[in-house]
Amino acid sequence: GDSVTQTEGLVTVTEGLPVKLNCTYQTTYLTIAFFWYVQYLNEAPQVLLRSSTDNKRTEHQGFHATLHKSSSSFHLQKSSAQLSDSALYYCALSEGTQVVGQLTFGSGTRLQVYA
Amino acid sequence: VTLLEQNPRWRLVPRGQAVNLRCILKNSQYPWMSWYQQDLQKQLQWLFTLRSPGDKEVKSLPGADYLATRVTDTELRLQVANMSQGRTLYCTCSGQGGISNERLFFGHGTKLSVL
Repeated sequence: GDSVTQTEGLVTVTEGLPVKLNCTYQTTYLTIAFFWYVQYLNEAPQVLLRSSTDNKRTEHQGFHATLHKSSSSFHLQKSSAQLSDSALYYCALSEGTQVVGQLTFGSGTRLQVYA
Repeated sequence: VTLLEQNPRWRLVPRGQAVNLRCILKNSQYPWMSWYQQDLQKQLQWLFTLRSPGDKEVKSLPGADYLATRVTDTELRLQVANMSQGRTLYCTCSGQGGISNERLFFGHGTKLSVL
């Protein structure tokens, strides 16, 4: 089966500094899409980024990620963290063999931005 | 715009008692409805995807037993039984294109606590 690994449970950063959340994956089958979801406190997860193209940078709300199939990675980055970015971030993937609506999520990384 | 109406938002469940959850789809363009659980460690896990009225599935996971039913094109239900640990259940919709690389939209979630 497939798996998604987010090595950091908690990342802390000072406001205005760059931040990077790591995501690597392992799949047996053809993986067709990768996602970053964000969950703010007491809210439901919502999609932040989506990509299915190797080596293409995807951007949204100041965050960016590039899928690198050669290293099985889809790290999330932002050049200048904001206090409002504090949340739980999930990396996820969908495989071609899975049913529509079935994503595999990593364990999540909590981002805490300090003033 | 809210795509999913999920209720109740929170339930206290006496140990050994089952609880029934309901999710209503507000936009028929996303007909693939799914259930996800988020455990106390915030791990998100896919449970079911049900597309057609009459579809039913059961699953047993550590800490709870599930029975999901697609009642109509717009209503999805979940019965949670034998729950030993609290969790949050999210209804999702996706699949405008009918393929598995579509993003998920999450409902507000139902937080279950064991009494």
